[in-house]
Amino acid sequence: DVQLTQSPSSLSASIGDRVTITCRASQNIGNYLAWYQQKPGKVPSLLIYVASTLHSGVPSRFSGSGSGTVFTLTISSLQPEDVATYYCQKFDSAPPGITFGQGTRLDLK
Amino acid sequence: EVQLVESGGDLVQPGGSLRLSCGASGFTFNEYAMTWVRQAPGKGLEWVSGITGSGGSTYYADSVRGRFTVSRDNSKSTVFLQMNSLRAEDTALYYCARDYFGPGSYSPFDYWGQGTLVTVSS
Repeated sequence: DVQLTQSPSSLSASIGDRVTITCRASQNIGNYLAWYQQKPGKVPSLLIYVASTLHSGVPSRFSGSGSGTVFTLTISSLQPEDVATYYCQKFDSAPPGITFGQGTRLDLK
Repeated sequence: EVQLVESGGDLVQPGGSLRLSCGASGFTFNEYAMTWVRQAPGKGLEWVSGITGSGGSTYYADSVRGRFTVSRDNSKSTVFLQMNSLRAEDTALYYCARDYFGPGSYSPFDYWGQGTLVTVSS
């Protein structure tokens, strides 16, 4: 089965910092990778799909890259409202089907 | 405006059953597959089940296969999750979500409901 591993599990950064979160798949998943943001006490929201396409309404400071087994989510200049937990998700059909990474908690230093 | 509203969550004893509902509005319901995702308290997201727009195909996580059944009533724009043989580890907030890519399977999710809480405890 394909496993997704995010790193780091948590990080602290300052306003204006460039932040990068990595998601590694245990097998090649092409570009079937999405990223979500879940702010504290809120519902998850879609940020990026097919690895690098920004979902409608998502600020341009967010970007995604990668393919195959290594993917990254980058926030170019961290804003206070970006404090959240971020999840990657594979959405191809390879077992075990749709899977989320364990999450990366981002807070302000 | 797309809206998803879950209901049916409750406190239930181990071994019991529960049926969750998710009412949808603001889009043509049968043109989208729908999904259930759960989140245990303080934990991450776990995909539970999905159903195609026609209802002809269903998908389950290994952790719930054989115990949970997903279905939909396109005439009522509602998707259901029948949960049987519930276990303590099924305790979670259950979200209904819309598949972004449309009626087929395996897609990211673009709209989420607020969730309904299921607690399995004696």
